Amino acid sequence: GQQVMQIPQYQHVQEGEDFTTYCNSSTTLSNIQWYKQRPGGHPVFLIQLVKSGEVKKQKRLTFQFGEAKKNSSLHITATQTTDVGTYFCAGGRIKAAGNKLTFGGGTRVLVKP
Amino acid sequence: GAVVSQHPSRVICKSGTSVKIECRSLDFQATTMFWYRQFPKQSLMLMATSNEGSKATYEQGVEKDKFLINHASLTLSTLTVTSAHPEDSSFYICSVGQKNTEAFFGQGTRLTVV
Repeated sequence: GQQVMQIPQYQHVQEGEDFTTYCNSSTTLSNIQWYKQRPGGHPVFLIQLVKSGEVKKQKRLTFQFGEAKKNSSLHITATQTTDVGTYFCAGGRIKAAGNKLTFGGGTRVLVKP
Repeated sequence: GAVVSQHPSRVICKSGTSVKIECRSLDFQATTMFWYRQFPKQSLMLMATSNEGSKATYEQGVEKDKFLINHASLTLSTLTVTSAHPEDSSFYICSVGQKNTEAFFGQGTRLTVV
């Protein structure tokens, strides 16, 4: 079945530094979504990428979808303590009813002040 | 976006008992809803697709007789964990959303089986 791999699993970042988390799917995706989950909370939608090679920015966050629609990345610049949490990518399946997503393993981000 | 209400947020039950979790889509008519399970410090694993008016579709390895799903209306899906055991302790969360759009998640239910 479809697998979505995400690296790194953990990211310890010094406040102010940049980092990137990467997402790779075993199959071509209809879309890739990114979510952020704080400890004890539920996933909160960040963004969706649909087009091959698409790049979207949200303030300090830059999201990219690969040309083959099988990989994606999230780059955060000037990390702040509010960026703490787990970032998940989730791949949308091409032949699936509704919004069926396969989640990556997540990158757990800790920020050192 | 859709507002999804999940209840209860936390439940503790004795081993061998059954627990029902409700997922309500408050402002969105959902023909499909999705149930995920998340163990501590792990990812969300899709358990099943809840289909309004028909049988749920279970992912490989998920026991349909243990995790009963009912989707009787466009706004309500229920997940019943039957004969719960300590290894069923987990964070269960539902989502709704149209195809190729963002998923809206409920608040999740933390189940502890003692």
